[in-house]
Amino acid sequence: EAGVVQSPRYKIIEKKQPVAFWCNPISGHNTLYWYLQNLGQGPELLIRYENEEAVDDSQLPKDRFSAERLKGVDSTLKIQPAELGDSAVYLCASSFTGATEAFFGQGTRLTVV
Amino acid sequence: QKEVEQDPGPLSVPEGAIVSLNCTYSNSAFQYFMWYRQYSRKGPELLMYTYSSGNKEDGRFTAQVDKSSKYISLFIRDSQPSDSATYLCAMRESGGSYIPTFGRGTSLIVHP
Repeated sequence: EAGVVQSPRYKIIEKKQPVAFWCNPISGHNTLYWYLQNLGQGPELLIRYENEEAVDDSQLPKDRFSAERLKGVDSTLKIQPAELGDSAVYLCASSFTGATEAFFGQGTRLTVV
Repeated sequence: QKEVEQDPGPLSVPEGAIVSLNCTYSNSAFQYFMWYRQYSRKGPELLMYTYSSGNKEDGRFTAQVDKSSKYISLFIRDSQPSDSATYLCAMRESGGSYIPTFGRGTSLIVHP
């Protein structure tokens, strides 16, 4: 069975441009997470979905970041406009509701120049 | 002070050594303690987790939790070059949002 799939793997954009990341979670997983991982740091939660509902988005910078999870399956994270400080790895993870084990995708490495 | 503290290393050991990786934390409500391994340019993968205090063993890996000291450890026996990676501790409360708090990770290098 395929794991969590993210695309693209790498993205380089100029500042002020928009960018979008896509995540396909493991089939059957109700919970989907988007994390931000800066170099040399652990993942930090941006947003958590239970099915279609965003239940924890307090750490999402809503002035420039948005996310959606249509039909409770795939999810898209968007940044508009991107800033230099947004350069990082964006990780998607999924799990069954309430499970301790979450499965991570390989991440999207964003570079803003 | 962060809720979870982890020395970033790098920790360099010879093949076959016993490795000890550690985290300290400040939130006494944490009940689930996890260890993730992250290879370069990959996502983290869960190695093992424990609930509350005690030890848990899985092959060459042993996780220990000392809640009285707010200190957790991961031991790797007979370390191999393939164990070279960043090891992240993570922990969460037993209820609520189930969101884990991660340490910054310790970079481990096992040289042949």
